[in-house]
Amino acid sequence: GAGVSQSPSNKVTEKGKDVELRCDPISGHTALYWYRQSLGQGLEFLIYFQGNSAPDKSGLPSDRFSAERTGGSVSTLTIQRTQQEDSAVYLCASSLIGQGDLGNTIYFGEGSWLTVV
Amino acid sequence: KQEVTQIPAALSVPEGENLVLNCSFTDSAIYNLQWFRQDPGKGLTSLLLIQSSQREQTSGRLNASLDKSSGRSTLYIAASQPGDSATYLCAADSGGSNYKLTFGKGTLLTVNP
Repeated sequence: GAGVSQSPSNKVTEKGKDVELRCDPISGHTALYWYRQSLGQGLEFLIYFQGNSAPDKSGLPSDRFSAERTGGSVSTLTIQRTQQEDSAVYLCASSLIGQGDLGNTIYFGEGSWLTVV
Repeated sequence: KQEVTQIPAALSVPEGENLVLNCSFTDSAIYNLQWFRQDPGKGLTSLLLIQSSQREQTSGRLNASLDKSSGRSTLYIAASQPGDSATYLCAADSGGSNYKLTFGKGTLLTVNP
């Protein structure tokens, strides 16, 4: 597609339930990122995938959070046993890496708005 | 640990005014610095990327500068328009990686017609 696509755009879930958030990066982009934006907070790095390399998971806030990227394209962020503090916008982004003058411009999706009640 | 600060947190100007948004970062060992725009309820749109070897980048009415030694970047918007109203975020990479971005909390810009 033309841009980074995320689904669902909005999700309301009950505390304790698991949720899955999906990201389709821009075709051909080898790098994929997940960020979280909480109310009144800045964007927080969660996880980074680059090609077939092991992902950088250093930003995941707890072991309830996990992510995978299948076939080097689509990614799923899973939150288990959701808590109210997980309510936030989860933003996915992708970029070309090592593409000369393109540098590291990253392109964001519109986010998945998660509300845990 | 990289920390990014943006001043002011909010800015309101009349249409046509030139303005400057400020960004400072604590770790000057960056690969690049980026400016983004975020409209309410939307994702981020990349505006300008300045690589560490560059001092400025321009796109239309936007000009971003970078001074690594002082840990500062500015975004200059010329002849502001109501359509420029949005939150502007700057982000610097951190931790020696060229991908892990640390974002400021943004400047909420309102351009009044």
